[in-house]
Amino acid sequence: AQTVTQSQPEMSVQEAETVTLSCTYDTSESDYYLFWYKQPPSRQMILVIRQEAYKQQNATENRFSVNFQKAAKSFSLKISDSQLGDAAMYFCAYLVPYSGAGSYQLTFGKGTKLSVIP
Amino acid sequence: GAVVSQHPSRVICKSGTSVKIECRSLDFQATTMFWYRQFPKQSLMLMATSNEGSKATYEQGVEKDKFLINHASLTLSTLTVTSAHPEDSSFYICSARLRGATGELFFGEGSRLTVL
Repeated sequence: AQTVTQSQPEMSVQEAETVTLSCTYDTSESDYYLFWYKQPPSRQMILVIRQEAYKQQNATENRFSVNFQKAAKSFSLKISDSQLGDAAMYFCAYLVPYSGAGSYQLTFGKGTKLSVIP
Repeated sequence: GAVVSQHPSRVICKSGTSVKIECRSLDFQATTMFWYRQFPKQSLMLMATSNEGSKATYEQGVEKDKFLINHASLTLSTLTVTSAHPEDSSFYICSARLRGATGELFFGEGSRLTVL
């Protein structure tokens, strides 16, 4: 079974500084997607960034970037120039197709609560 | 991006009654929708996968007779919590996959169910 591990239950960062959230996963699949989702107090899940496993280049989205190490099965999220609005729960997620069903299962890590200190 | 709407956002019901939660993809067709349950300060737990026009696939440990899922059209899936009990109180979130696409899922706003 696929598993996603976020080893940091809580993190804090000073406003304008950089923070890295870690995520590792276990899979035997070669074709999959990785995501970081943000869940603010409103509980709405917001996609932060995604990475296709077949792409070697690390995904970047404005202040958010990932360090994707496929061989190590590691997928960390770096937030640069942290802002107060970045405070939220961050979930790492792994998406793999069901075999034969044509549908997809998204597996989440337990989450990292990020606090931003003014 | 694509929009998924969930309704109601909050619902309070008496023990023993049934509650229906709707998940709609507003501007796209969703071949597959997913239902998650989230307990306080915990991650999302997949309950079931709903494919349009077919029976839902439930995860191990999820009672299919308790949590009825219907995906009658490409834009609507419903979750009905039958004979609700206080332990069913939780935050329920749906997500939808864009038809023909792979990868990204779009999430609804979630529904908080409180069973008295």
